[in-house]
Amino acid sequence: QSVLTQPPSVSGAPGQRVTISCTGSNSNFGAGYDVHWYLQLPGTAPKLLIYDNNNRPSGVPDRFSGSKSGTSASLAITGLQAEDEADYYCQSYDSSLRWVFGGGTKLTVL
Amino acid sequence: EVQLVESGGGLVQPGGSLRLSCSASGFIFSSYALHWVRQAPGKGLEYVSAISTDGGSTYYADSVKERFTISRDNSKNTLYLQMNSLRPEDTAVYYCVKEEDSNPRWDDAYDIWGQGTRVTVSS
Repeated sequence: QSVLTQPPSVSGAPGQRVTISCTGSNSNFGAGYDVHWYLQLPGTAPKLLIYDNNNRPSGVPDRFSGSKSGTSASLAITGLQAEDEADYYCQSYDSSLRWVFGGGTKLTVL
Repeated sequence: EVQLVESGGGLVQPGGSLRLSCSASGFIFSSYALHWVRQAPGKGLEYVSAISTDGGSTYYADSVKERFTISRDNSKNTLYLQMNSLRPEDTAVYYCVKEEDSNPRWDDAYDIWGQGTRVTVSS
């Protein structure tokens, strides 16, 4: 049971918009800690996708965006492409458990 | 190019020990806190341990506390993870990761990940 809760899977057709939720609590998001998102392609190391709630590292397309409100966060992907098919993880800091991840969400492009 | 390269993984029997190493290049090693994150087969990501820039502060997940020891040698740009009393549930790919910001903060992102080194604990 992860401290941050994500849906196990989401799907969408090419060109569509999908969102992935990440639900926390008062000891992480509610305490003001930022959320970060990572993308993991099969057989590879995770890669930073969104940091500090809504910032994209250099090279990440603006099709990816993040938001956080209260004890929840979400990642949105617009203009879905086949290469977006991957596992997505949210991550933050928890005042009790320290560094925590969501359980991961598998995105399938139909 | 900023890079982290792990080594030292392998097959070990339950109760055994391994030392993982992570060699860094392309950034000022001594300015960044570093972490170990692991991923069991078919599972999600799990924080294992973290260390401050000077090595003076270390942190451990409850699942590895008193069995694993994190350390760093800033003169060699290398991070270590000494793993003792290994259990089958420690089987995972272990990633060395760098915090994004050189200014210390609890909720920093991990901007650089190594390729991972596989640890298998089995008899």
